[in-house]
Amino acid sequence: SSELTQDPDVSVALGQTVRITCQGDSLRSYYASWYQQKPGQAPVLVIYGKNNRPSGIPDRFSGSSSGNTASLTITGAQAEDEADYYCNSRDSSENPLFGTGTTVTVL
Amino acid sequence: EVQLVESGGGLVKPGGSLRLSCAVSGFTFSSYSMNWVRQAPGKGLEWVSSISSSSYYIYYADSVKGRFTISRDNAKNSLYLQMNSLRAEDTAVYYCARDSAGSTAFDSWGQGTLVTVSS
Repeated sequence: SSELTQDPDVSVALGQTVRITCQGDSLRSYYASWYQQKPGQAPVLVIYGKNNRPSGIPDRFSGSSSGNTASLTITGAQAEDEADYYCNSRDSSENPLFGTGTTVTVL
Repeated sequence: EVQLVESGGGLVKPGGSLRLSCAVSGFTFSSYSMNWVRQAPGKGLEWVSSISSSSYYIYYADSVKGRFTISRDNAKNSLYLQMNSLRAEDTAVYYCARDSAGSTAFDSWGQGTLVTVSS
């Protein structure tokens, strides 16, 4: 079956830029969406489609894709961006599939 | 304001059953596909099931196929998940999530309801 692989942990200095990657074969055919989840809270959609932000999501969040890799970039990371981030795409049966998740620590 | 509120979680013994509900408001429920997504304690997100706006298309993850049944009542603005033959590995927070119109994303989520399967 398909997999979406993310680095487990990433750290970034306050105000700096961090890129979170998601790798999987399905990303050659489908855009990834990205979700932010803080402890004890439900996930929140931050990026979808080619590079679209839902209303209320700061423009420091952006998305990109190349080949089998999708990326979420936080430009000028803030303390409140410390969270778990999950990518999402489709599996070989075209059902939703989440990535393994990345914990972002803002130093 | 879009709101999704899950209920029905609790403690159940292995082999038991539980029915989750998700009451929605703030949007035209009958126009959107809906999903259940779960998260085991300390683990990542796992898609469980999807249902189209008219209930014509229904899909399940292999891990729950044959045991769980998704349904909806558009007149009551409600989504359901009937869970039978529950196992310890079904222990998780269960979220209902709305499909984003025109994309494969989940654009609105409920706060989740905890299901614990234990003897």
